[in-house]
Amino acid sequence: GIQVEQSPPDLILQEGANSTLRCNFSDSVNNLQWFHQNPWGQLINLFYIPSGTKQNGRLSATTVATERYSLLYISSSQTTDSGVYFCAVMNTGNQFYFGTGTSLTVIP
Amino acid sequence: DVKVTQSSRYLVKRTGEKVFLECVQDMDHENMFWYRQDPGLGLRLIYFSYDVKMKEKGDIPEGYSVSREKKERFSLILESASTNQTSMYLCASSLHFLSARGRQYFGPGTRLTVT
Repeated sequence: GIQVEQSPPDLILQEGANSTLRCNFSDSVNNLQWFHQNPWGQLINLFYIPSGTKQNGRLSATTVATERYSLLYISSSQTTDSGVYFCAVMNTGNQFYFGTGTSLTVIP
Repeated sequence: DVKVTQSSRYLVKRTGEKVFLECVQDMDHENMFWYRQDPGLGLRLIYFSYDVKMKEKGDIPEGYSVSREKKERFSLILESASTNQTSMYLCASSLHFLSARGRQYFGPGTRLTVT
């Protein structure tokens, strides 16, 4: 299967700070998504981004498929951004693989 | 909005019992997925289905089976529950695999404890 590595594993930020989360993957992928898991366990889809750049409010994501990595940018962080961020990729066999996540804590 | 519901939020079962976890989606999605989430391991795919009565094994199918008799419903079955199947189980659905229609939407999860 595809190895998916996320960094950093843990991140603590002051409210208002910016951050960059990274996702490296070991093989070509057809599908890449970023998710946020809130403190109650609900996973929310943030981006579908197998290549290129997308923005949604304070969040943006960039995937460089040829170099096998994706970045999630969070600007002006808020306490509601706290939780775990997961990257997930899909191979040519439609199998999905998740990273182990980045746990983000935003302090007021 | 897409809604994915799971039959139970918390479940406690005994070793050896047969366990059914149900998942229902209301958006006519083709694909449905079952994952388990364990600390330090992220989410791991157990099975997925791309059509009624069609299923594919994921990364960790051992000890599990699935059923998809209707498009909106995908069931995960633990034939004989064991303590190492204690976990959070998450169901997801997507319209297709590729393009923005490949986005996955998750249910709230079922925390299963096997004693």
